[in-house]
Amino acid sequence: AIQMTQSPSSLSASVGDRVTITCRASQGIRNDLSWYQQRPGKAPKLLIYAASSLQSGVPSRFSGSGSGTDFTLTISSLQPEDLATYYCLQDYNYPLAFGGGTKVAIK
Amino acid sequence: QVQLQESGPGLVKPSETLSLTCTVSGGSISPYYWTWIRQPPGKGLEWIGYIYVSGSTSGGTNYSPSLKSRVSISVDMSKKQFSLKLSSVTAADTAVYYCARRVGATRIDPWGQGTLVTVSS
Repeated sequence: AIQMTQSPSSLSASVGDRVTITCRASQGIRNDLSWYQQRPGKAPKLLIYAASSLQSGVPSRFSGSGSGTDFTLTISSLQPEDLATYYCLQDYNYPLAFGGGTKVAIK
Repeated sequence: QVQLQESGPGLVKPSETLSLTCTVSGGSISPYYWTWIRQPPGKGLEWIGYIYVSGSTSGGTNYSPSLKSRVSISVDMSKKQFSLKLSSVTAADTAVYYCARRVGATRIDPWGQGTLVTVSS
């Protein structure tokens, strides 16, 4: 089974900062990766799919990149409402696998 | 837009079967992979499995290897509902259970709001 490793597991940044979260797959997964935001007490919400496609309605400060084994989610200018845990998901083969999550706090 | 709503008991006794239903509203049930995902309290997300619906028939299922011996997902297309059954539950199965729609092999969207199931006597 493919393992997804996210880093860091948590971070704290100021409003307006550029934030980068990394997800690494244990084997190549082409661009079959999506990113999800989970605000406290809420269900996850799709942000990015196919590694770099922005889901409709998601603010343009979110972007994704990568292919193969290494992927990145970037928030270009952190906003207070971005306080959340972010997860990557590989959809290349079964079983589908999530990363362990990155908790983003606001300084 | 498509909305999903989980329903079922919030408390299940150890060794019994957990049963949840997800109702789909605002859109078609086909052709999509109807998916269950869970999240133990304070922990990350775990994919449980899916059932694929295409046209007027339900297709195959696929389950997490760690749960495969205990899990079953089915669909009632006339009611636009799909269901999860997890047998022989233990405290380790305590989690928020989410139903969701997987679109092709690219993304999971939308998600239901989630329902907490506690396994306890």
